[in-house]
Amino acid sequence: GENVEQHPSTLSVQEGDSAVIKCTYSDSASNYFPWYKQELGKGPQLIIDIRSNVGEKKDQRIAVTLNKTAKHFSLHITETQPEDSAVYFCAAANTGNQFYFGTGTSLTVIP
Amino acid sequence: ETGVTQSPTHLIKTRGQQVTLRCSSQSGHNTVSWYQQALGQGPQFIFQYYREEENGRGNFPPRFSGLQFPNYSSELNVNALELDDSALYLCASSLSGLAPGYEQYFGPGTRLTVT
Repeated sequence: GENVEQHPSTLSVQEGDSAVIKCTYSDSASNYFPWYKQELGKGPQLIIDIRSNVGEKKDQRIAVTLNKTAKHFSLHITETQPEDSAVYFCAAANTGNQFYFGTGTSLTVIP
Repeated sequence: ETGVTQSPTHLIKTRGQQVTLRCSSQSGHNTVSWYQQALGQGPQFIFQYYREEENGRGNFPPRFSGLQFPNYSSELNVNALELDDSALYLCASSLSGLAPGYEQYFGPGTRLTVT
């Protein structure tokens, strides 16, 4: 089955700096890669996603890049704000539509 | 908010008991997936229901079972509870379980504690 690895497990940045979270996956059949933000006591919230026919996608301060050859994808958050503090999860899905999640990155934005 | 609701919010059960968790999917969505999230871990796929039929299952024993109703709401049942079943149980709804790459929207989860 698919194996998704996520790094780093914790990340602290100063407000206004950028944050980068990286994930690798093992199954070349995976073709959909969502990113979720989970705040304490809440369910994961979809923040951005990318499909295998696209190399990069951007939505305001958030961007995701995908390298299919190397089987890795990354989340980039620019101009970080304290409200960006949360746990972020990457995931990979194939035609079975079963999502495989990484182990999460706890992001802290220091005011 | 996603429009996906789950009940109850919290639940405490004793080892060996049975539990039923409920999920109402977002309006227009016909697919519900269930995930188990242990503390400090990412969600793990339990199974998915599409139009009342199971449409994929993760590495969970048969004592984890589910149902989907004609209105696309869903239940997760766990028999013979074990201490390791303590976790946050999440359901996610999506437009179609048959096509790849459909966004899944999560509910707030049910926190289950087994003592």
